[in-house]
Amino acid sequence: EVYLVDSGGGLVKPGGSLRLSCAASGFTFSNYKMNWVRQTPGKGLEWVSSISSGGNSTDYADSVKGRFTISRDNPNNSLYLKIDSLRVDDTGVYYCARDEVPFDWPQASLDVWGKGTTVTVSS
Amino acid sequence: EIVLTQSPATLSLSPGKRADLSCRASQSISNCLAWYQQKPGQPPRLLIYDASNRASGIPARFSGSGSGTDFTLTISSLEPEDSAVYYCQQCGKRPPLTFGGGTKVEI
Repeated sequence: EVYLVDSGGGLVKPGGSLRLSCAASGFTFSNYKMNWVRQTPGKGLEWVSSISSGGNSTDYADSVKGRFTISRDNPNNSLYLKIDSLRVDDTGVYYCARDEVPFDWPQASLDVWGKGTTVTVSS
Repeated sequence: EIVLTQSPATLSLSPGKRADLSCRASQSISNCLAWYQQKPGQPPRLLIYDASNRASGIPARFSGSGSGTDFTLTISSLEPEDSAVYYCQQCGKRPPLTFGGGTKVEI
């Protein structure tokens, strides 16, 4: 069965950092573009970042550009999101999610989601 | 950035009734639209992709239609377990992927 298990959230002060992780199993991880999506009280579901199957191409939402860094380790079936300069409005649940179509198809929905990891930014 | 507007915000219906949920895009996205169901404490679950294709394991009472800028998710006969928030998401022009604000269905 296909699984994504996200972890690494926690309570952090404004300006702090976190590294989120997502462990994949049950599919050929290196074939799929991967994404981080967050759900915040203020903005609902918001796509945050994506990384191509080989890891050589990344994209970010304007709201996180310059503060978030997505990366992946294909041999270890893992996805990461490094979050720096955390702000109160970054508070929310962060999900890793898989593109529904493999091989970096330009148009795809998200068919497999982790259960989410909660990030709380507060002083 | 493509903006998706969902309506209504809340839909209250009885079991067995039909529900029609709307999603309107700010510009044409061809048929690249997905629908998700989210229950409290759970991640979104893919229901429909490419506007009208049911994802694996999704009951036949869920169907999607539309293209261009106007899309509809129809639940033909509501079951109690269909109480949830439903989101649309466009994939036609990314980045960014964008989501609608959601429709809450109460049964």
